[in-house]
Amino acid sequence: QKEVEQDPGPLSVPEGAIVSLNCTYSNSAFQYFMWYRQYSRKGPELLMYTYSSGNKEDGRFTAQVDKSSKYISLFIRDSQPSDSATYLCAMSGETSGSRLTFGEGTQLTVNP
Amino acid sequence: IAGITQAPTSQILAAGRRMTLRCTQDMRHNAMYWYRQDLGLGLRLIHYSNTAGTTGKGEVPDGYSVSRANTDDFPLTLASAVPSQTSVYFCASSDSRASYNEQFFGPGTRLTVL
Repeated sequence: QKEVEQDPGPLSVPEGAIVSLNCTYSNSAFQYFMWYRQYSRKGPELLMYTYSSGNKEDGRFTAQVDKSSKYISLFIRDSQPSDSATYLCAMSGETSGSRLTFGEGTQLTVNP
Repeated sequence: IAGITQAPTSQILAAGRRMTLRCTQDMRHNAMYWYRQDLGLGLRLIHYSNTAGTTGKGEVPDGYSVSRANTDDFPLTLASAVPSQTSVYFCASSDSRASYNEQFFGPGTRLTVL
């Protein structure tokens, strides 16, 4: 079983929709939770990160972590065609320099 | 140079040939990483280096080797390429002493082994 599970999609939504992207994990040592965005034929770029449980909001994006359920989510409000990309969740432990474990990514298309 | 550069952008290689993928960063990050990305399997760590002069094995190291002679460069070598090494390869770097390990990725190298 993979340490991090992510629904690969693909996910297709109309412009303006609310998008929910999710990952589950099995390693209770994970403390840092990140979402990377990867445009087609580009490298991933960090979108948001959270530490331990809770919510974090940045504009139209909200990251949510529920450590009790080992479940993290990324919500995109008022989705735009420019949000079309692959979204990867990533996690690491408490130790400084802990390596990241990635989900396989969810491909999102926002249709105008 | 700004960030991480990788070369070549893409390559078609005959099986059995030796190939080195190049990676250079100008952010003075101590840690560097090589990943391969395959459909349905996501990003998998091949090798990493926490500091110049040290390297370690990741999840899928077989058939690959790395070296870290200085802070900026982290080449990945395929000694004798096989078709299963067809993939997109990403180099990344981070300041692993920071509070969280944000990794910065290069643009990738698309490698096809025939």
